[in-house]
Amino acid sequence: ETGVTQTPRHLVMGMTNKKSLKCEQHLGHNAMYWYKQSAKKPLELMFVYSLEERVENNSVPSRFSPECPNSSHLFLHLHTLQPEDSALYLCASSHRYKGDSTDTQYFGPGTRLTVL
Amino acid sequence: AQKVTQAQTEISVVEKEDVTLDCVYETRDTTYYLFWYKQPPSGELVFLIRRNSFDEQNEISGRYSWNFQKSTSSFNFTITASQVVDSAVYFCALGGSQGNLIFGKGTKLSVKP
Repeated sequence: ETGVTQTPRHLVMGMTNKKSLKCEQHLGHNAMYWYKQSAKKPLELMFVYSLEERVENNSVPSRFSPECPNSSHLFLHLHTLQPEDSALYLCASSHRYKGDSTDTQYFGPGTRLTVL
Repeated sequence: AQKVTQAQTEISVVEKEDVTLDCVYETRDTTYYLFWYKQPPSGELVFLIRRNSFDEQNEISGRYSWNFQKSTSSFNFTITASQVVDSAVYFCALGGSQGNLIFGKGTKLSVKP
C-alpha cells in the first residue's frame, strides 16, 4: 500500500450506532488530519495530530472522537450522530505541522458517511 | 484573517479548449504557501502544486501551468488543451503561520467531448 488509505469507503449508520473510521499513512509523516466535506461547503478541518498528540480541535461536537495510537494510524470514532453529519470525511497527512514552512498535505480517498 | 476566494463555481468547456481557474487569496503573513488540489468524482484530493510566496516564477507541468501574481494576490491555474479526464473540482489553498490549510470553495470543471 502506498500513500494514505481510508476504510471503509462508504458507511451508512443509524443515529444510535457506534462506528469508527480508519486512516493509515505509508509516507513516514508525523502529522495527521481529519477534514469534513459537506455538500456546497468548504473543507472543514476537524482535528490535527502531531507526533501522536492532538494539537487542534476545531469546536467539533463530542460525538466525534479521534484517536491516534501511532504516527501511521488515525481513527475517528462516531456515536449518536445526526443526519447533518452526513458528509465525506477525509484524512490527510504531512511531514510536519507548524514547522518553518507549510508542508504539503496528502489526502486519502475519503469515507462517504450517511447518517439515517 | 486568511481567506481564499475561488469566484468561479462551475466552468464548462469543450475538449481541447484552454481553461483558467482563478484563485485570489488574503493573508497578512509575509511567508506563505499556495497549493492547488484536484478532486475527481472518486473523492480523493490529489496534490498538484505547492508554491512559496518568495518564488513568483510561473510554473509549467505538461498541460498545466500556474501564474502567481503577488501584486494582485492571485495564483491562477491554466489547463491547456483540456481533456475529459480533467473534469473534477479544483481547490486552491493557502498555508501560513498557523500551520493549517485554508481552502477555497472549489471550482467544478466539466470538460465535454
